[in-house]
Amino acid sequence: NAGVTQTPKFQVLKTGQSMTLQCAQDMNHNSMYWYRQDPGMGLRLIYYSASEGTTDKGEVPNGYNVSRLNKREFSLRLESAAPSQTSVYFCASSVRTGNEKLFFGSGTQLSVL
Amino acid sequence: KQEVTQIPAALSVPEGENLVLNCSFTDSAIYNLQWFRQDPGKGLTSLLLIQSSQREQTSGRLNASLDKSSGRSTLYIAASQPGDSATYLCAVSLPGGANNLFFGTGTRLTVIP
Repeated sequence: NAGVTQTPKFQVLKTGQSMTLQCAQDMNHNSMYWYRQDPGMGLRLIYYSASEGTTDKGEVPNGYNVSRLNKREFSLRLESAAPSQTSVYFCASSVRTGNEKLFFGSGTQLSVL
Repeated sequence: KQEVTQIPAALSVPEGENLVLNCSFTDSAIYNLQWFRQDPGKGLTSLLLIQSSQREQTSGRLNASLDKSSGRSTLYIAASQPGDSATYLCAVSLPGGANNLFFGTGTRLTVIP
């Protein structure tokens, strides 16, 4: 009964380093999302994938890239990390895009020094 | 842009008390509204989803109501328990897909034994 699985749970990077956050869901959902959560702000959408083979920008896409590897997996890549990208990152999935019940992973806490 | 506000930011109540959490939003043309629970260091868990045509949804000790015309939703928790301690977030969906889901910053609830 895994649901949405994210790795890693914690990560510390130096400015300029790159990394990829991994996400996989086992619920046969079509749509997947990456959000970031910062203190005092609501969750903000970075990128989403409405279905396998498609990706679209969300509210805050700058500095990130995504790959929908297959129906199960959706990765988020930081090419050159900046301190402003220090945040908690959540992957989520839903049966269809938008207006649907969301299922979230447990998050990745990322610090960029 | 839809603004979603949750007041208060934090709330402490003694065990057994009934309580109400508030969510207000600025654009009444919503598609649906979701209430989520977030435990420390964890992802979000969807509790209730109310469609725009509905007035309320119930699940166990939880009851969520929706008043679109006034831009308000409440989450009622009956007979609170220490295990209810968590942050509760609401999210409002406008028609148009993934970019139109807006989260509040949450109310951190502590139920004191």
